[in-house]
Amino acid sequence: DTAVSQTPKYLVTQMGNDKSIKCEQNLGHDTMYWYKQDSKKFLKIMFSYNNKELIINETVPNRFSPKSPDKAHLNLHINSLELGDSAVYFCASSQDQGGRRRDTQYFGPGTRLTVL
Amino acid sequence: LAKTTQPISMDSYEGQEVNITCSHNNIATNDYITWYQQFPSQGPRFIIQGYKTKVTNEVASLFIPADRKSSTLSLPRVSLSDTAVYYCLVASNTGGFKTIFGAGTRLFVKA
Repeated sequence: DTAVSQTPKYLVTQMGNDKSIKCEQNLGHDTMYWYKQDSKKFLKIMFSYNNKELIINETVPNRFSPKSPDKAHLNLHINSLELGDSAVYFCASSQDQGGRRRDTQYFGPGTRLTVL
Repeated sequence: LAKTTQPISMDSYEGQEVNITCSHNNIATNDYITWYQQFPSQGPRFIIQGYKTKVTNEVASLFIPADRKSSTLSLPRVSLSDTAVYYCLVASNTGGFKTIFGAGTRLFVKA
């Protein structure tokens, strides 16, 4: 059983298009995250949701909009895609909201987005 | 927010012990230190977490001095499959949960 799953695994699209990446976790966790990993392998947090509420919104363009229909799902919609959006996007989940011992994050396999 | 600093890369040979040190000078009182491992084309995977002194599990040991301004991940007797990127991070709860991943250390294990 996959704990944190993402779809699609690969996404190739043209500049200006709108695309979505879906994430689901079956761990019963309360908190979910989106990270972006660029070509230099830096892993940067973008958003965090706790029980469907946004708790972290880092400095990302407002073309990126997360949506959490329930606490097991956190989708990422990207409008007007740009070349610089090309990266691997990771979804993750954890049991607690930060700063505590049990906040181990479980990551999905990643979605490699290529914008042409 | 605590920022972490790690060596960019390390090389080792199979069977050796590998120690990767991470600096986090601005760690806050409530912060925990966590290490993750990432293989190519996969998401990071939790290895170990600690607050102070020493923590050991079946995979690694984590050494944290009294001032907590650094930590050392120790991998005993590495194998080729331990070749990966290792991230040290500090969980910060200022203004909501924020996980700051450093640049990571690329460990390359040779035969």
